Amino acid sequence: NAGVTQTPKFRVLKTGQSMTLLCAQDMNHEYMYWYRQDPGMGLRLIHYSVGEGTTAKGEVPDGYNVSRLKKQNFLLGLESAAPSQTSVYFCASSYSRAGTRTDTQYFGPGTRLTVL
Amino acid sequence: QKEVEQDPGPLSVPEGAIVSLNCTYSNSAFQYFMWYRQYSRKGPELLMYTYSSGNKEDGRFTAQVDKSSKYISLFIRDSQPSDSATYLCAMSAIINTNAGKSTFGDGTTLTVKP
Repeated sequence: NAGVTQTPKFRVLKTGQSMTLLCAQDMNHEYMYWYRQDPGMGLRLIHYSVGEGTTAKGEVPDGYNVSRLKKQNFLLGLESAAPSQTSVYFCASSYSRAGTRTDTQYFGPGTRLTVL
Repeated sequence: QKEVEQDPGPLSVPEGAIVSLNCTYSNSAFQYFMWYRQYSRKGPELLMYTYSSGNKEDGRFTAQVDKSSKYISLFIRDSQPSDSATYLCAMSAIINTNAGKSTFGDGTTLTVKP
């Protein structure tokens, strides 16, 4: 049982390049989330998914796209990377929606992205 | 103004000290309150989970929620060097039938010195 895994662990991009971050979970969770973590700004929700084939915008969605084609995977895409997207990206999953007794979020180890 | 404000730290204490970590919030709809622990270069992991007001104890850790004051705390007794980490408070509410909203504090970095 690997929990939540993220690929890659590190990446350096040049401005304007594109990339996809992959998140996988083996806990059969319905809900999945992408966050970014920046110093002094905590964890901010980018996009989330309430089930296979569904996605929704979070707090800071601009410049990112997501897809949830399979229940266990949640992809985060950067179409044209900008230096402002330099951050640590965390994926999380939960059994139920936030605001319920079983909404514990399980986090992956993070992806450190630098955009030059 | 942020919905969740967390004491910024950093906090440095000697081994064995009692540590108090605190958050305030403004959204009355929050009903679940959590503390996550994040070690350096790792993802956050759930430490404590509380519903509504009151105290919850788990070993050396006690979570306290005061909904009337919109204030939550995490107490660590007999702190150990292994407790050195960043602690994030988090709160959640239901926003519609399909989804909920979780909001995290910025985190407080704690160092426990041997």
